[in-house]
Amino acid sequence: QVQLVESGGGVVQPGRSLRLSCAVSGFIFNRYAMHWVRQAPGKALECVAVIWYDGSNKYYVESVKGRFTISRDNPKNTLFLQMNNLRAEDTAVYYCARAPIGSGSYYDYWGQGTLVIVAS
Amino acid sequence: DIQMTQSPSTLSASVGDEVTITCRASQSIDGWLAWYQQKPGKAPELLIYKASNLERGVPRRFSGGGSGTEFTLTISSLQPDDFAIYYCQQYHTYSTFGQGTKLEIK
Repeated sequence: QVQLVESGGGVVQPGRSLRLSCAVSGFIFNRYAMHWVRQAPGKALECVAVIWYDGSNKYYVESVKGRFTISRDNPKNTLFLQMNNLRAEDTAVYYCARAPIGSGSYYDYWGQGTLVIVAS
Repeated sequence: DIQMTQSPSTLSASVGDEVTITCRASQSIDGWLAWYQQKPGKAPELLIYKASNLERGVPRRFSGGGSGTEFTLTISSLQPDDFAIYYCQQYHTYSTFGQGTKLEIK
């Protein structure tokens, strides 16, 4: 069955870095675009980064441009989100999600989420 | 960016009721709209895609409609398991979500 498992969250000070991973199984990873979606406590969902199935193109929401980098290792079935210069407003649960129709897509499978807390 | 606005923010209803949630887009998104249900501490779950297509395994009491800028999610005959937060999402241009509608027990 399809599984997405995030890891790498934790508590970090403002200005520091964190790298999230999303290990997937149960589907052919290199055929799907993937997205990172976050949810601040008590807030709505926000797509922060998108990567094409082959890694050839990427998209970032304005608030994370220049600080976050999405990448993927297709042979290892793993998605990454490198987060640099973290800010308090980046505090959220981060989900990886499968996007069956590409860069603009609904999400048919989600991970369980990993919590990132940015605080001094 | 395409903005999505849901109404109402909170909806109180009873088991057996029929409820409708509305989602409006700031520009036309054709039918590129999905609906999700989220329960506390869990990831969202896909209910409907392409405005009116029911995801596999989702009960038929859930239905979606609309096109262009205005969309609806209707739940007929509410069940106890349906009390949750519902989000709409446009995927015409990347992805943006509405602010959510909390469906609570009256």
